[in-house]
Amino acid sequence: AQSVTQLDSHVSVSEGTPVLLRCNYSSSYSPSLFWYVQHPNKGLQLLLKYTSAATLVKGINGFEAEFKKSETSFHLTKPSAHMSDAAEYFCVVGLDGGSQGNLIFGKGTKLSVKP
Amino acid sequence: GAGVSQSPSNKVTEKGKDVELRCDPISGHTALYWYRQSLGQGLEFLIYFQGNSAPDKSGLPSDRFSAERTGGSVSTLTIQRTQQEDSAVYLCASSFVGGPSTDTQYFGPGTRLTVL
Repeated sequence: AQSVTQLDSHVSVSEGTPVLLRCNYSSSYSPSLFWYVQHPNKGLQLLLKYTSAATLVKGINGFEAEFKKSETSFHLTKPSAHMSDAAEYFCVVGLDGGSQGNLIFGKGTKLSVKP
Repeated sequence: GAGVSQSPSNKVTEKGKDVELRCDPISGHTALYWYRQSLGQGLEFLIYFQGNSAPDKSGLPSDRFSAERTGGSVSTLTIQRTQQEDSAVYLCASSFVGGPSTDTQYFGPGTRLTVL
């Protein structure tokens, strides 16, 4: 069965410093993995998606994530945080293998960016 | 093009009343999903529609919850005899199902339901 664990519930960085949001997954086969962002009082927005092509996935707003099968990780990074990056980030694993079912969401990581 | 839309954006109701939440998916998307986001609980899958297939209702928390999708497009989530624990943000998403890998879901802004 698939599952996803976001290792930090809250991450705080200073503006201009790197961002690292950690995510580990569990899947019995090659998963589809996503990162979504949710700004306060806004809907979920897709940041990026991994579907077994390149292991380094580039997303919007300068974010990227690297799929590491040996570590079962899909950490989200950004070289330099901006104040507008303050939001909640969700790592998501998709039910795959031909089943077009639902997504399994992590509990979320709240990112704070200090000036 | 237009994204997923949901209405109302906010709904306040009294305990015991019925509510209907509406979702308009992205045109051409064949799959539609409902989720619930409660404070401190994360996102919880409720129900999934794909084309003309029978919906996957495995996430509905009780028989007070039901959903339908008319004409393969608009969906309505109905909660009967609302309880205070139903208070949450209800999110709708849609996707185009076109291949073996999980398709990207696009989310609406949600309906914030408050049951007094």
